[in-house]
Amino acid sequence: ETGVTQTPRHLVMGMTNKKSLKCEQHLGHNAMYWYKQSAKKPLELMFVYSLEERVENNSVPSRFSPECPNSSHLFLHLHTLQPEDSALYLCASSLLKGAGRDTQYFGPGTRLTVL
Amino acid sequence: LAKTTQPISMDSYEGQEVNITCSHNNIATNDYITWYQQFPSQGPRFIIQGYKTKVTNEVASLFIPADRKSSTLSLPRVSLSDTAVYYCLVGDGGDSNYQLIWGAGTKLIIKP
Repeated sequence: ETGVTQTPRHLVMGMTNKKSLKCEQHLGHNAMYWYKQSAKKPLELMFVYSLEERVENNSVPSRFSPECPNSSHLFLHLHTLQPEDSALYLCASSLLKGAGRDTQYFGPGTRLTVL
Repeated sequence: LAKTTQPISMDSYEGQEVNITCSHNNIATNDYITWYQQFPSQGPRFIIQGYKTKVTNEVASLFIPADRKSSTLSLPRVSLSDTAVYYCLVGDGGDSNYQLIWGAGTKLIIKP
């Protein structure tokens, strides 16, 4: 148990559906991250929030929309996804503002399948 | 951007020392090197971090040469439970740069 939870753990959706992924951290951290993990590829950083402000958006398609209502919660809203978006989506948090030096604590991920 | 390169897979046996090397030729002055471990159905977990020379903690050692263009994670006396994927991460130590460059991971299999 890392102190970072993600729901749902598994999600199957059609290309026309709208769904949301939820992440919650119980560590009192100030930064939260969304990553995409595809098979045999490096983790891809999607978004970073620091003190509820988005500080990084790595050219992610607009069909992915993050939301950080407070420092403990992070959402990833999904709509009109493509089959190539199927992957494991990982949430992480870190104590400080979010940088390479910070230790990141990861949730177990949401396995997303887009049909 | 610093690109990190690691072996795709490695095998070893219980009780052996395992060394996994990551290449990061374009590492920047402010970048730190961090290693994570990932088991199936779990997110990555922090193992060790360093900037230069050698760092040791209760589970691993990290060796970084003077030019910092590579780093080696050393796992002493591995057991079956060390079977996992190990990731090298190079990232800026500043508080405004989010260039976090992950390696593709090394799948380590420990045999009895």
